[in-house]
Amino acid sequence: DQQVKQNSPSLSVQEGRISILNCDYTNSMFDYFLWYKKYPAEGPTFLISISSIKDKNEDGRFTVFLNKSAKHLSLHIVPSQPGDSAVYFCAASAGGYALNFGKGTSLLVTP
Amino acid sequence: ETGVTQTPRHLVMGMTNKKSLKCEQHLGHNAMYWYKQSAKKPLELMFVYNFKEQTENNSVPSRFSPECPNSSHLFLHLHTLQPEDSALYLCASSQGSGETQYFGPGTRLLVL
Repeated sequence: DQQVKQNSPSLSVQEGRISILNCDYTNSMFDYFLWYKKYPAEGPTFLISISSIKDKNEDGRFTVFLNKSAKHLSLHIVPSQPGDSAVYFCAASAGGYALNFGKGTSLLVTP
Repeated sequence: ETGVTQTPRHLVMGMTNKKSLKCEQHLGHNAMYWYKQSAKKPLELMFVYNFKEQTENNSVPSRFSPECPNSSHLFLHLHTLQPEDSALYLCASSQGSGETQYFGPGTRLLVL
């Protein structure tokens, strides 16, 4: 049973606008959440993370929001750029070695 | 070289072949991982090694055999694979459990 879900397989956003990628989880033991970005023919690249003691973490154009009561997190990219076009994976950890990944959302930023 | 490197990047093998995938991390991490990514599926954790000791094996068939000679190197030995084993195999490393994992570029494997 999948514990991390990204329900939107794809998203298209105009350059300069905000991209919002969503992720839901079911396991209340998850206490650390990460976003990875993946280009074709490359491995996932770590983007940003958030601990469950926070509800927001910001790094440049990227902000992750965590809503523990709703078991939901989102990644905001502002402003979106064509180079942001990639597949974005949400992942969650319960403190052990395993990372639970979603299936990914393919983001396309159009000029 | 920096980060996590994997060789080869692409591999085509027959079902009776034996081959090995290699991973090397230059981050000074203690834990290393093998993941499998099949089309339209989330990344699946296969094996975890911490300080050269295997800590997790997620019910992976014995035709996949990992080896971790030291904290910087990880191998995945492949033997009598099936066509459904065709996938992207990713190596990752982290400082320890519950920490951010950093991935290599992957090996795209095709089993004929």
